[in-house]
Formats: sequence, structure tokens, C-alpha cells
Amino acid sequence: AQTVTQSQPEMSVQEAETVTLSCTYDTSESDYYLFWYKQPPSRQMILVIRQEAYKQQNATENRFSVNFQKAAKSFSLKISDSQLGDAAMYFCAYRSAYNTDKLIFGTGTRLQVFP
Amino acid sequence: DGGITQSPKYLFRKEGQNVTLSCEQNLNHDAMYWYRQDPGQGLRLIYYSQIVNDFQKGDIAEGYSVSREKKESFPLTVTSAQKNPTAFYLCASSDLIGETQYFGPGTRLLVL
Repeated sequence: AQTVTQSQPEMSVQEAETVTLSCTYDTSESDYYLFWYKQPPSRQMILVIRQEAYKQQNATENRFSVNFQKAAKSFSLKISDSQLGDAAMYFCAYRSAYNTDKLIFGTGTRLQVFP
Repeated sequence: DGGITQSPKYLFRKEGQNVTLSCEQNLNHDAMYWYRQDPGQGLRLIYYSQIVNDFQKGDIAEGYSVSREKKESFPLTVTSAQKNPTAFYLCASSDLIGETQYFGPGTRLLVL
């Protein structure tokens, strides 16, 4: 069974600085998708970024980028030029390309942004 | 505006009572999902549906039931058999081809 691990329960960053959130996963599959979701205080899950495992190029989305290391099964999220609105819970998630019935989530990292 | 709506935002359940959470989407997505979120945990899949009139159990289906009579709607019933229903419930949908799941705003269920 696949698992997703986020080893940082909490992180903090100064406004305008850069922060990296860690995520590792375990799978025996070769094709899959990885996601970062943001959950602000409103609790709605918002897609931040998505990575296809077959793509070697790291996904980017404005100030958000990932460092995808397939061999190491690592999928970290870098937030550049942090803003107060980035404060939220961030969840890493895995979805199989073969068994597409669900997302498997990590336990989340709470990010605080200080002015 | 396209999106997913969930109602109510807050729901209170009495002992022995069944309650139904609503989820509607106008994204023309084929697949819909229900997740449960408990404090300090990620989301866990309750039920999912890939097509109208068909649905499958997820990891924690006991004490829950669903229906999928219309493509746009996927209501979740929390039955009296669910002994610990207090949680945050999130509905999601995806295009079967696109894979990415998009979430609604959630419903907070509390037991009186």
C-alpha cells in the first residue's frame, strides 16, 4: 500500500522569504501523480501544484515550485516570496495512475508566515 | 461560476439520527468523492462514484451511505451506525481523464 509522510508538523517563514515543505512517499508503482493542496482557515482544500511522475521537469506555478526526486521518492514544495496569505495547512497527496479511486494524503504541515 | 457546493456548512446530529450532507457540482465532472478529515490527520476516503448509479466503498465506508442519481449530485448520509461521526467532511470531483480532484468548502458535523 502507498503511504505519504510529511515529517514537519509546523514550519514558519518571514514574509518575502523562501520556505520548503518536505514530503516523502512510498510506492512500488512507476506511474503516479503527486499533489500539494493548501487548506487555509476556511478549510477548503485548494490545489497548489501537480506533478506527473513520468515528467522529469519539476512543476512550477507562479511562486510555488516542487523538487521531485523520483528515485528518492521525495516531493518537496518551495514557496518563494512568502506572503501572509500563504499561511495554511499544506497537504501532500499521492494518486496512482492505475488505481485512480482516491488520493492518499499525508498528515499535513502547518505554515505560519510572520510579517 | 463553475464549482462544488456543499451544504450545510455546519450540521448537528442527535444520537440515533441519520443526517444527510449535500454535494453538488457544475463542473461536468464524472467522478465524485467523499472524504473525512479528523484533527491532525489527512483526509480519508469514505465513498466514491465514477459514474451515475454506481459507487464504491473507500477505506472507511462503515456507517455511511451514498447515492448518485444525477451526475451533478452525490449526497452522503451519516447513519446512526457511525459511532464517531464528529469530523469535517469534504466532497471532491474530477474529470475521469484529468485526474486532479477539486474540493468543495466542506461540512462540519457535530454530535449533540
